[in-house]
Amino acid sequence: DQQVKQNSPSLSVQEGRISILNCDYTNSMFDYFLWYKKYPAEGPTFLISISSIKDKNEDGRFTVFLNKSAKHLSLHIVPSQPGDSAVYFCAASAQAGGTSYGKLTFGQGTILTVHP
Amino acid sequence: DTGVSQDPRHKITKRGQNVTFRCDPISEHNRLYWYRQTLGQGPEFLTYFQNEAQLEKSRLLSDRFSAERPKGSFSTLEIQRTEQGDSAMYLCASSAVRSRELFFGEGSRLTVL
Repeated sequence: DQQVKQNSPSLSVQEGRISILNCDYTNSMFDYFLWYKKYPAEGPTFLISISSIKDKNEDGRFTVFLNKSAKHLSLHIVPSQPGDSAVYFCAASAQAGGTSYGKLTFGQGTILTVHP
Repeated sequence: DTGVSQDPRHKITKRGQNVTFRCDPISEHNRLYWYRQTLGQGPEFLTYFQNEAQLEKSRLLSDRFSAERPKGSFSTLEIQRTEQGDSAMYLCASSAVRSRELFFGEGSRLTVL
């Protein structure tokens, strides 16, 4: 049962344009969402996160939007740069026993390619 | 470098052999996690420690897998009698208390021949 899904295996974007990566989830207990970026032969690197009490969080060129009713979140990168080319993973977590901890459920990832 | 470090980065072994991976978390983080990632998939949770206590294990962690964090600092993940299906990237991550943001190491890639 894939609780976090990234339905687009890949995305190709021109430098300077917007990249939009999408993620859907099914578990209504998820209350915290994160995006990670991964280069080949490296571990995932944290990018940005959002709590379920918000619908938007922005950090520089990166903005994450959360639509709880649709169980959908998206990551916007504006403007896209060639160095953004990587695999992007969406992840979600739920509080356990009233204590938040970092057991994350990841999507399958989306390969972003930004062309110069 | 004060990030999460893992050793070895790559291990090639024959089926049936035992392998051990080591993870050194960020020093002030008391939570440590092991994940496994196979090709084309996202990382999957294996187990989690708070200090030296192993608080949760995934069903993915069969009896051949054992993880320890004896002094609440570094951790080891041992796989006994390796099988070809164990070939994957084993990722370690750490976090501070009350933080839900994990910091990952570069991973240990296991290839079982």
